Amino acid sequence: SQQGEEDPQALSIQEGENATMNCSYKTSINNLQWYRQNSGRGLVHLILIRSNEREKHSGRLRVTLDTSKKSSSLLITASRAADTASYFCATDAGGSNYKLTFGKGTLLTVNP
Amino acid sequence: DGGITQSPKYLFRKEGQNVTLSCEQNLNHDAMYWYRQDPGQGLRLIYYSQIVNDFQKGDIAEGYSVSREKKESFPLTVTSAQKNPTAFYLCASSPTGGIGSPLHFGNGTRLTVT
Repeated sequence: SQQGEEDPQALSIQEGENATMNCSYKTSINNLQWYRQNSGRGLVHLILIRSNEREKHSGRLRVTLDTSKKSSSLLITASRAADTASYFCATDAGGSNYKLTFGKGTLLTVNP
Repeated sequence: DGGITQSPKYLFRKEGQNVTLSCEQNLNHDAMYWYRQDPGQGLRLIYYSQIVNDFQKGDIAEGYSVSREKKESFPLTVTSAQKNPTAFYLCASSPTGGIGSPLHFGNGTRLTVT
């Protein structure tokens, strides 16, 4: 079955720097979503990008999607210590949310 | 505030005992989901429900059971048949079960079975 795989597994940066995380998947998708998870908490939805979109922005977040390479990237600009979390991509190829497949996540640490 | 409430936050049980995890939402969402998260792993779907009185098995349903008698409630029972029940359990909901409908998550229940 298809699966989103995030890269890198872990990323450590200084406050104010940009953070880029990547997600690769195996088969065609309808949508790709990014979620954030603070340690010991639930996931929070960040952004959804549809297969016919190439780029999407939300505040300090920028998501790109390259369906030819089956990959997406999440850029967080001007990072803050509060951005420290795990970030997951989720892909869906079926017609329902129960077909969502989550990757293993990228652990981002932003050092003050 | 609208949201999803999972209780308890931490749960400890002895092997061989069944245990029920609570999930309540006041978002008026039709669809609800249970996921399991193990260290360093992505989320795996246990069960989902798209409407009251209906639910379907996910990828790892063996050893688990659910009910959906009310729209706002979707409890998960971890039975003694589940071979490795220690994990972090996450409940989620979405307005519909259709694609493009982002999931809202609770803050999870960490179950430890010894």
